[in-house]
Amino acid sequence: GAGVSQSPRYKVAKRGQDVALRCDPISGHVSLFWYQQALGQGPEFLTYFQNEAQLDKSGLPSDRFFAERPEGSVSTLKIQRTQQEDSAVYLCASSLLRQGSRNEQFFGPGTRLTVL
Amino acid sequence: SQQGEEDPQALSIQEGENATMNCSYKTSINNLQWYRQNSGRGLVHLILIRSNEREKHSGRLRVTLDTSKKSSSLLITASRAADTASYFCATDAGRFGGAQKLVFGQGTRLTINP
Repeated sequence: GAGVSQSPRYKVAKRGQDVALRCDPISGHVSLFWYQQALGQGPEFLTYFQNEAQLDKSGLPSDRFFAERPEGSVSTLKIQRTQQEDSAVYLCASSLLRQGSRNEQFFGPGTRLTVL
Repeated sequence: SQQGEEDPQALSIQEGENATMNCSYKTSINNLQWYRQNSGRGLVHLILIRSNEREKHSGRLRVTLDTSKKSSSLLITASRAADTASYFCATDAGRFGGAQKLVFGQGTRLTINP
């Protein structure tokens, strides 16, 4: 079956531009996560959705970062007024949500954002 | 901030040898997971070990967990060139019923030489 997909795969933005990154999770997966991965580092948590509800946004680095999942499936991560330090790979992951069980996350290929 | 520290940061071995990577973490956890990432690609889940488990096997992979030392190890036996990748441990330390956000280590870059 289809995995998690993300678009675009690569994005180059000029400093100050707004960008929108899209994530299509695996069909039926209730949980959706966004992570940021700087070069040579492990991914860092940004935010979490359960269906359309954003239950945890503690990892968003600033109020320039905004995420939504209005219908509980596709999610968009928006970064306003991009800065050079925003350059990173943005990973989306989804997982099933089973009562009493904490499960593996399935990751998309990521969007590599470069801010010039 | 990242919870885990991985050791070594880079490992280069000959094909057929075994590779061992270690991970240490700081807080109590629900489970610990290992992921592989090929250059420029997303992460692939390898194995999950729960806090009440001490050892788990999956094919050529063997994972151990020592919660008293807050550490885990990943052993890849009979390595192959295709195992060349970065390997990350990730801990699930969220409160039960809350977000299962993973906290990743910095990874071990494994190179298998033919």
